[in-house]
Amino acid sequence: EIVMTQSPATLSVSPGERATLSCRASQAISSNLAWYQQKPGQAPRLLIYAASTRATSIPARFSGSGSGTEFTLTINGLQSEDFAVYYCQQYSNWLPLTFGGGTRVEI
Amino acid sequence: EVQLVQSGAEVKKPGESLKISCKSSGYSFTNYWIAWVRQMPGEGLEYMGIIYPDDSDTRYSPSFQGRVTISADKSITTAYLQWNSLKASDSAIYFCARLRALAGADYWGQGTLVTVSS
Repeated sequence: EIVMTQSPATLSVSPGERATLSCRASQAISSNLAWYQQKPGQAPRLLIYAASTRATSIPARFSGSGSGTEFTLTINGLQSEDFAVYYCQQYSNWLPLTFGGGTRVEI
Repeated sequence: EVQLVQSGAEVKKPGESLKISCKSSGYSFTNYWIAWVRQMPGEGLEYMGIIYPDDSDTRYSPSFQGRVTISADKSITTAYLQWNSLKASDSAIYFCARLRALAGADYWGQGTLVTVSS
């Protein structure tokens, strides 16, 4: 099983600032990585796939980078609606698919 | 419009059985894998397993193998997650999601809250 490790667990930022979230895979996964945003009481929403491609309707302030084992999600100019929990997920190995533990972005 | 609509919240007793559903519409149901994801209270996301509705090819995460059964009925574009004997530790929100090849889970159901309590 590929283990995904996210850091930090909680990130405190102010509106308008930049947030940088990290995700590490226990083995190389090429660019087979997705990022999701989840707000309280809602289903997760796909933000980024293939490590750096924004999903449909995702604002340009969200960007992803990395390949192999190290990945980053950057949120530029944080807005109030961006305060949420973010998860990375690998799909290099489907048996099983695995998520990271999540990073909470708070004010 | 792609939609995945899940069945409603359930309250069950330990030892009871349960089957929850995920109705898909707006796309070709047989061409995409469907995943089930668990979220325990206050916790993160865990993949339970996936199914390819065209031939019902099913894969389970090791943590859930033998504990749940995933199935699909392509005639009514619906996927299912079932338990034969619930435990209190099965209390969680369960999401279904459509998997897109090389792109993760692009559409999600709204979630089904399962509460198991005596």
